[in-house]
Amino acid sequence: AQKVTQAQTEISVVEKEDVTLDCVYETRDTTYYLFWYKQPPSGELVFLIRRNSFDEQNEISGRYSWNFQKSTSSFNFTITASQVVDSAVYFCALSEAGGRANSKLTFGKGITLSVRP
Amino acid sequence: DAGVIQSPRHEVTEMGQEVTLRCKPISGHNSLFWYRQTMMRGLELLIYFNNNVPIDDSGMPEDRFSAKMPNASFSTLKIQPSEPRDSAVYFCASSFQGNYGYTFGSGTRLTVV
Repeated sequence: AQKVTQAQTEISVVEKEDVTLDCVYETRDTTYYLFWYKQPPSGELVFLIRRNSFDEQNEISGRYSWNFQKSTSSFNFTITASQVVDSAVYFCALSEAGGRANSKLTFGKGITLSVRP
Repeated sequence: DAGVIQSPRHEVTEMGQEVTLRCKPISGHNSLFWYRQTMMRGLELLIYFNNNVPIDDSGMPEDRFSAKMPNASFSTLKIQPSEPRDSAVYFCASSFQGNYGYTFGSGTRLTVV
C-alpha cells in the first residue's frame, strides 16, 4: 500500500530564512506521481507541483524548489528566503496506478510552517 | 473555468439530521474524489468515482455515509444520521486522467452539534 510520511509536524522560521520540508514515500509501483499542496489559513488546497517517477530532475519555481530522489524515496521541498505569506500547512501526496484515471491521492499528515516577521 | 464548486461552504446541523454536501467538478474531468480533513486523521479519501462509477469506497466510515454521482457534472455526499464525530472539512476534487493534476474545491466545513 502506498504511504507518505512527513516527519516534521511544525516548523517555525524567521522571515528570509531558507526552510526545507521533508517528504518520504512508499510505493510498490514503478510508475507514480508525487505532489505538493499548500493549505493557507483560508483553508483551500493549492496545487504547487506534480512530478512523475521517471523524472528526477530538480525543479525550481521562483523561491520554491523540489528535490526528488528515488534512491531514498524522498521528495523534499525548499523555500528560499521565506516570507510571512508562506505560512501555511504543506502536504506531500502520492498517486499510484501509473497515470490511469482511477488513481487516488494519498496525503501525508502535513507540515505547519510558520514564518515570523 | 470556475474550478471545482462545493456547496454549502459551511453547514451546522444537529445530531441525527441528514446532511447533503454537493460538488460540481470541472467540466471535462472524469474522476471525482471526496476527502475528509480532521485534526486527528488529516486528509483521508472517502470515495472516488471514475466516469461517474464508484471505484473505491473503502474509506467511507460507515453505512451512514453514502455518495452518488448521477452525471458527470454533479456529485453528492450524504450523511444520515449525522453525529458530532462527523464534524470536519469535506473536500471534493476532480481530475482528468488522474495524474494530470487534481483540483480541489474550497471545502465544506461541517459542524454537527
